[in-house]
Parts: sequence; C-alpha cells; structure tokens
Amino acid sequence: DQQVKQNSPSLSVQEGRISILNCDYTNSMFDYFLWYKKYPAEGPTFLISISSIKDKNEDGRFTVFLNKSAKHLSLHIVPSQPGDSAVYFCAAGIDKLIFGTGTRLQVFP
Amino acid sequence: KAGVTQTPRYLIKTRGQQVTLSCSPISGHRSVSWYQQTPGQGLQFLFEYFSETQRNKGNFPGRFSGRQFSNSRSEMNVSTLELGDSALYLCASSLIRGPNTGELFFGEGSRLTVL
Repeated sequence: DQQVKQNSPSLSVQEGRISILNCDYTNSMFDYFLWYKKYPAEGPTFLISISSIKDKNEDGRFTVFLNKSAKHLSLHIVPSQPGDSAVYFCAAGIDKLIFGTGTRLQVFP
Repeated sequence: KAGVTQTPRYLIKTRGQQVTLSCSPISGHRSVSWYQQTPGQGLQFLFEYFSETQRNKGNFPGRFSGRQFSNSRSEMNVSTLELGDSALYLCASSLIRGPNTGELFFGEGSRLTVL
C-alpha cells in the first residue's frame, strides 16, 4: 500500500516557466513533509520541508504547498532552470519517512 | 565535513548468496536509515538504527537485517539473495531521530545486481 504517491512519473517544462510537482498521501497522521532532489549516480539531497501546522513554505525559487484536507502536497519551482532537471521525491512521515515513487523533471531551453 | 559514505558502490552477486553493505554516517550523526530504491517503487524504507538499536522497520522479509555499531557506523545484510533484490541501497544519516528533524543526508548508494 503506497502511502505517498506521485502520480506523474515525468514532467517536461521550458526554461523560465513554472514547474509544479504533485504528491498525494493517505495517512492523515503525517506531520512532516519534505521534498528531495536526486541526480543520477548521487544520493537524494534535501530541498525543502513543511510541517503540518503550515500550508506554505518558501525558499528562493522553491515553494511547497500543503493542503491537509485534500492530503495533497505540491512543489513549485519558479523560474525553472536546466540545472533543476532531476528526479524529485516527496516524503512524509511521523516517526519515519515514507517516500513517493518520484517524478522526473526535465527543463529544456 | 565528510558526507555519508557507503561501500561498496557496486557489486554483483548470484542468487542464494548473501551480501553485506556498509554505511558510515556524517560525524556526530547518531541515526542511520536504510532505503531500497527500485524503478517504479521509489525509496522503500528498510530500517532505522539509533544508538545501536533498531527503532523502526519497514515491510521487508527477515532476509534483510542490519546493525549499528557504537561509532554509529551501520551495516545491512541480505541473505539468500533473490533476483528481485537487485536495487540501489541508500543509507541516510541524521543528527537525531524523526522526520521532523528536517533533513536526512544520503550517501551515494550501493548498487546491487543479483544474477
């Protein structure tokens, strides 16, 4: 049973435009949510997080939105850059992190 | 400071063999978690160790085991290997337990191929 789902395996966006990556979860007890980015041949690296008491968190070009009633999380990247091309994993948890299956983002010129 | 170090980076085994993977966390980090990454399955949680004790375990068979030493280094072992165990095994460390610490710091992984 996949508690954290990323239904879009891939996304292609033009440089300078907005990238929106989505994530759904099933466990309403999750109280912390994170996004990780992974380049080939490297381990995932932390990008941004949000706790369940907030609905938005910004860090530079990256903003995470949390809709608890819909059990939905999204990551907005504005403006998108070619270096953002990577696999993005959302993760959620209480005492351990459950990861989604990832979305491969490609930013083209 | 040095990051999370995993060894070996690549290995090939045959069905029925066993394998041991090693992880050295960031200095000062006491929590070590292991994840299995396969195409289409994302990162599947294996287990977490803190202060030499297993604190959490994922839904994997008993063939998957691990341990943590007093210096926080961790090993995971997979016995009686199956073809489906072929995956990238990722180790992550954090200063303290729980996802609300913010970050897990991942190593580059050990890619296991079972023939």
